[in-house]
Amino acid sequence: EVQLVESGEGLVQPGSSMKLSCVASGFTFSNYGMNWIRQAPKKGLEWIALIYYDSSSKYYADSVKGRFTISRDNSKNTLYLEMNSLRSEDTAMYYCAKSRLFDYWGQGVMVTVSS
Amino acid sequence: DIQMTQSPSFLSASVGDRVTINCKASQNINKYLNWYQQKLGEAPKRLIYNTNNLQTGIPSRFSGSGSGTDYTLTISSLQPEDFATYFCLQHNSFPFTFGSGTKLEIK
Repeated sequence: EVQLVESGEGLVQPGSSMKLSCVASGFTFSNYGMNWIRQAPKKGLEWIALIYYDSSSKYYADSVKGRFTISRDNSKNTLYLEMNSLRSEDTAMYYCAKSRLFDYWGQGVMVTVSS
Repeated sequence: DIQMTQSPSFLSASVGDRVTINCKASQNINKYLNWYQQKLGEAPKRLIYNTNNLQTGIPSRFSGSGSGTDYTLTISSLQPEDFATYFCLQHNSFPFTFGSGTKLEIK
């Protein structure tokens, strides 16, 4: 059974940093690209980043480019999202999702940016 | 960026009804369109991928159709467990974009 479990939830101040993790199981993690998606309160979903299976390519939404970094450790079956210079508008539920086909998603973690 | 216009935003229906939800893309997305169901506190669940391919384990009352810029999710006979929020996703080109969601409620 495919499982994606995010962690790193929390409340941080504007301008600070935070790192999310997504641990994968039930499939060969190193064979698939992975995504991060977020949903701000009472807003729609926003795709924010994709990383290829071998980390050879990474793509970002303009809203996070230069501030967020997607990475992965295939030896640990783990996807990461490092978030710097956080803003109030980054407050959202953050989900990881498997592959370019977005076939499986985690349950999400809440990130709140507030002073 | 490709804009995905999803309609309706809210839908009230009864068990047994046939319902359709639409997503219109601002440009051709070459059938790279997925549909998802999301219930409160749960991970989104993929129902349909690439317009009309049923995800394994999803009941056959769910179907998808469309091409070019216009896509439809149909639920042929609503069941109690189908009352949820549905959204579409285009994965044809970066940045991938989502419809705004349809909340399906019991009439």
